[in-house]
Amino acid sequence: GNSVTQMEGPVTLSEEAFLTINCTYTATGYPSLFWYVQYPGEGLQLLLKATKADDKGSNKGFEATYRKETTSFHLEKGSVQVSDSAVYFCALRGSNYKLTFGKGTLLTVNP
Amino acid sequence: GAGVSQSPSNKVTEKGKDVELRCDPISGHTALYWYRQRLGQGLEFLIYFQGNSAPDKSGLPSDRFSAERTGESVSTLTIQRTQQEDSAVYLCASSLRSGSISGVYEQYFGPGTRLTVT
Repeated sequence: GNSVTQMEGPVTLSEEAFLTINCTYTATGYPSLFWYVQYPGEGLQLLLKATKADDKGSNKGFEATYRKETTSFHLEKGSVQVSDSAVYFCALRGSNYKLTFGKGTLLTVNP
Repeated sequence: GAGVSQSPSNKVTEKGKDVELRCDPISGHTALYWYRQRLGQGLEFLIYFQGNSAPDKSGLPSDRFSAERTGESVSTLTIQRTQQEDSAVYLCASSLRSGSISGVYEQYFGPGTRLTVT
């Protein structure tokens, strides 16, 4: 079956630091890949997505590139802000509607 | 416009009691999904509705779990005879339709119901 593995948290950074959260996946066929973010007290929000190999998703300064050869979709941001503190989930969607999620990574950014 | 809403936001119940969790999807969204997030785990798919029918119940963990949806809107997830392992955040999502075409079928999530079984 499909599965997603993302780096264990928590991750604590200072403002303006570089962020990488690793995500690798196992899936049959050609899944779509997503990063969701959950801010404190709020629901999950789609942060970015990529639907085919070599696509780069980007939003709010975050980027992730769909790497089929390494089955990875690592999330990066060049300069994090305090407001980026949240839980980040990597997810994939296979040939149907189901989303398969990683366990989430808690990011805390200190001023 | 209004997003997906869920109620209650928090529920504490005693082991063995029944609970009902409610989800109000975005108006016009025909597809509705329930997920569960246990502490330290990723989200687990529970059930999916297309309209009022549930073609995929494969994620329901036991026959104590059931869900229904009426009028292509509100859905209720019912857990009978709750157990401590049912403690989790239950998340509901809706999308315009189901399927695999990206963009049109993005799933929008509610804030969740935190269930604690004592």
